[in-house]
Amino acid sequence: QKEVEQNSGPLSVPEGAIASLNCTYSDRGSQSFFWYRQYSGKSPELIMFIYSNGDKEDGRFTAQLNKASQYVSLLIRDSQPSDSATYLCAVGRDFVFGPGTRLSVLP
Amino acid sequence: DAGITQSPRHKVTETGTPVTLRCHQTENHRYMYWYRQDPGHGLRLIHYSYGVKDTDKGEVSDGYSVSRSKTEDFLLTLESATSSQTSVYFCAISPTGDTEAFFGQGTRLTVV
Repeated sequence: QKEVEQNSGPLSVPEGAIASLNCTYSDRGSQSFFWYRQYSGKSPELIMFIYSNGDKEDGRFTAQLNKASQYVSLLIRDSQPSDSATYLCAVGRDFVFGPGTRLSVLP
Repeated sequence: DAGITQSPRHKVTETGTPVTLRCHQTENHRYMYWYRQDPGHGLRLIHYSYGVKDTDKGEVSDGYSVSRSKTEDFLLTLESATSSQTSVYFCAISPTGDTEAFFGQGTRLTVV
């Protein structure tokens, strides 16, 4: 059974700080990795995806992948109160999701 | 927004009755997925489809069946609803399975 683990949080950071969200996965053969954001009562929306080892940047967001360690992370720079949400990590072609990390950005 | 429509959006049904949820897409994407989301469990995959009449089980498939007779429609059926199937159900679509998946608005199902 494929497993994806995340710290459930809540993770609290002050406005303007860097938020760091982590995800580990069990299936060493996984090739695709995704980060989603979900506001309360809404559907998940894609932030970014990453396929290769290293960093991928998109605006204030950076995804980092280390396949050897089976680890993927999401950094949010200059965190804003509007970033307060649950962040979901998904792995693989069948999009196995972790339980999500609740992020709270404090004004 | 990706063209995904889930119906109904809300449903209350009685234990033991059959229930069918519909996911309709206008994107012609090959992959379609059904998830349930419960507090403390995140999104759990029920079934997915990688083409017309091609489906596979996910992590929590017991008590659920699916059908995909057309590219645009993916149906999730609870043959005999139980209270443990009270949940929010999300449909998602993906063009290839290796790229991003887009989610529908969700269906809140309550089994009483």
